[in-house]
This record gives sequence, C-alpha cells and structure tokens, in this order.
Amino acid sequence: ETGVTQSPTHLIKTRGQQVTLRCSSQSGHNTVSWYQQALGQGPQFIFQYYREEENGRGNFPPRFSGLQFPNYSSELNVNALELDDSALYLCASSYGLAVTNTGELFFGEGSRLTVL
Amino acid sequence: GEDVEQSLFLSVREGDSSVINCTYTDSSSTYLYWYKQEPGAGLQLLTYIFSNMDMKQDQRLTVLLNKKDKHLSLRIADTQTGDSAIYFCAENSNQGGKLIFGQGTELSVKP
Repeated sequence: ETGVTQSPTHLIKTRGQQVTLRCSSQSGHNTVSWYQQALGQGPQFIFQYYREEENGRGNFPPRFSGLQFPNYSSELNVNALELDDSALYLCASSYGLAVTNTGELFFGEGSRLTVL
Repeated sequence: GEDVEQSLFLSVREGDSSVINCTYTDSSSTYLYWYKQEPGAGLQLLTYIFSNMDMKQDQRLTVLLNKKDKHLSLRIADTQTGDSAIYFCAENSNQGGKLIFGQGTELSVKP
C-alpha cells in the first residue's frame, strides 16, 4: 500500500508566476484535501475534492484552483503568485466524506513553495 | 466562528509526562484529533476521540475531552526524545470535510 506522495518537494517561483503542485492519494482513497501551512502556523484548509468534484472550499481566493482526476490524484494550481503564498502545501487523502467516517486524513510530506 | 487554540511551547525532561492542551469553539464537531509533525515532514495522525467520549487511551497516549468547556488535552506518558515534534489539535467542521487546526505546540524533550 503506497502512501500519499507529493511533487515537487521544493520549488522557487517569482511574484506573478503560476505553479502546479501534484498529489497521488493513498491506494483506495477517493477524497483529496489541500492545506496551506505558513511558517509557524497550523494548516489552513484550501479545498477538498471527492470523486472529481469540489466538495468544500476554505477562505482562499479564486486564483487557487484544483483538479481531481479519475485515478483520484489531484493538482493544486495557484495563479498570479504573491509573496504571502510562500508556504508548505500539504495534500491529504481519505476514503469517503468526513460526515460518514472518522474524517482521518493521511498527509503527504508537502511541497514547499518559496515566492521571491 | 471557528477557532482552535494551543499554547506554543512545552519543555519536559525525558521520562516525565507531557500534557498538551487545546481549546476549540465549534461545539458541533464530531471528532477531535491530535496530529504530530516532525521537522520537514507532513502530519501524522496520533489519535482521535469521538465527541461523545470523555477519555481515550492508546498505549502512552491519553486524550481527555471536556465538551462543556470545549477543552481537549493530550497526555504522553514516559516522554522520550523521539517525541520531540510539533503537536496539532484539530476539529472537524461541517463544511465539506474541512479540519480546523490549532497553531501547534512545539514539544521539546530534554535528556
């Protein structure tokens, strides 16, 4: 059973650029959530995808967008990067929706984005 | 509103017990969680408790939940240097599978 994998692990971009982060969910999981963790802070919910549809969204602007593919892998896209977007981006997978189970999330090790 | 608060730092000696505290605001949360994050790594679920329970024990870990005061604690017995990490308390939200995390408590275990 493979765990959650994310790529790239580190990347550096400049203001105004666009970035795509990728996530492969744990085997058997059909739900993917993305979180942003700024330095010294707890993770903040960006959005969740369940069976290729967005299932919920946190307080992030529309330039943060996502996709989930038929194999349940996912992408996070951020357009028009700002300095404050510098953070660790965490992907987490789970099976089903939190209202029907314990809501346990299995996290990847994250993609660390630096915006200069 | 939704908010989870934790103290930022805790330092203990190896072999002592550690108690990490958390307060939350959403009384409708069904589950509350404790996650551990080691340097440069993602989050690892340590344990969770269902909101109708007062206590849950899992080996060296004991979770206490006071629903009236919206207070959650994690006790680690016989703390080891390998327990040094950041510990996050989280509650689930009715909004689309969202977990709300606290700021994290950095646990430092001294030999």
